[in-house]
Amino acid sequence: EPEVTQTPSHQVTQMGQEVILRCVPISNHLYFYWYRQILGQKVEFLVSFYNNEISEKSEIFDDQFSVERPDGSNFTLKIRSTKLEDSAMYFCASSGERHGELFFGEGSRLTVL
Amino acid sequence: DAKTTQPPSMDCAEGRAANLPCNHSTISGNEYVYWYRQIHSQGPQYIIHGLKNNETNEMASLIITEDRKSSTLILPHATLRDTAVYYCIVRVQGGKLIFGQGTELSVKP
Repeated sequence: EPEVTQTPSHQVTQMGQEVILRCVPISNHLYFYWYRQILGQKVEFLVSFYNNEISEKSEIFDDQFSVERPDGSNFTLKIRSTKLEDSAMYFCASSGERHGELFFGEGSRLTVL
Repeated sequence: DAKTTQPPSMDCAEGRAANLPCNHSTISGNEYVYWYRQIHSQGPQYIIHGLKNNETNEMASLIITEDRKSSTLILPHATLRDTAVYYCIVRVQGGKLIFGQGTELSVKP
């Protein structure tokens, strides 16, 4: 069964450093999403992406965040200068249709020290 | 998106049906009811969705009341592996998924 894959599974970084989280969505999917989940809290929407541009973003997704689809397969989330409060599990998701179900990856755990 | 209300936790005996309720009294005509679950901080997993008719798939059944103000997710024969947080989400077609706190289902032997 096709799946969304994310790398790295866990990354530890120092505050102020740049981090890039990578996602390989399901191959024929066109809609891409990033969510995050701070430990013990609910899953929060960050951004949706379609046709090489951001469709929608939340208040969390400020200027420190960016997304990119550098080639035909990867979908990346960059945090330019990490803060302690960026420590969370980051989930990538993809969908084949605008109204279709989202398929989530297993997440990348980011720890900012 | 309409707000949903779910009980914070529920228990279910292994092998029995798990019935998870969800209230969405402010749902509007173009909003779908989606159910996802999250097993121990893994990525959320899609279960089922519907608009107004009852739906069934290999994982579960979704019963939506006629006025669409509430719904019930039914896991017909719960197993220990169904222990998870279950999220009821109301979503405009094409809109983003907004997760609430969900219901923590514990399936006990």
